[in-house]
Amino acid sequence: KNEVEQSPQNLTAQEGEFITINCSYSVGISALHWLQQHPGGGIVSLFMLSSGKKKHGRLIATINIQEKHSSLHITASHPRDSAVYICAVVPRGGSQGNLIFGKGTKLSVKP
Amino acid sequence: EAQVTQNPRYLITVTGKKLTVTCSQNMNHEYMSWYRQDPGLGLRQIYYSMNVEVTDKGDVPEGYKVSRKEKRNFPLILESPSPNQTSLYFCASSLGSTKNIQYFGAGTRLSVL
Repeated sequence: KNEVEQSPQNLTAQEGEFITINCSYSVGISALHWLQQHPGGGIVSLFMLSSGKKKHGRLIATINIQEKHSSLHITASHPRDSAVYICAVVPRGGSQGNLIFGKGTKLSVKP
Repeated sequence: EAQVTQNPRYLITVTGKKLTVTCSQNMNHEYMSWYRQDPGLGLRQIYYSMNVEVTDKGDVPEGYKVSRKEKRNFPLILESPSPNQTSLYFCASSLGSTKNIQYFGAGTRLSVL
């Protein structure tokens, strides 16, 4: 069983729709990242969370540490949001140097 | 401009021919890391470095070496590449540790024939 599970694996939406991508993990963590990988391959960091909720523009990320679950929401989706969204967790303890990744959610937003 | 620079971006090589992929950052970050990305497996950590002369294994270190002699550089060395190391490689850096925003290089696509 993977330590970080994302759902859905693939998601197709119409422009303007509200989108939710989920991330569940089985290990104790000290932080969680949401990353975006563009069709050209580049990866950018969207959020780093250790509790609660963060918002940036049309993107909202939430985390529930007790339930070991995080969600990434996109409001008023646009074709330029089409990308792979990746969740990554920092396992609690240790050197804080490890990252464990989910396999990603491929989002396609149609005009 | 703050950036993580990887070179080369594309590389085709043959089994057993030693190669180095360079990674450099201009943000004075302590933490640097290497990942590989494979279809169906996602991103996996190869090695990371918390600071100069401090390196540690990630999940898939076999067949790779790294060094951190200077803060800005973190090269990935494949001493004897094999076809199963064909992959897309990313370098990343951050201030302090993985508990900070990660900055990724553009990626290096490696094919080992």
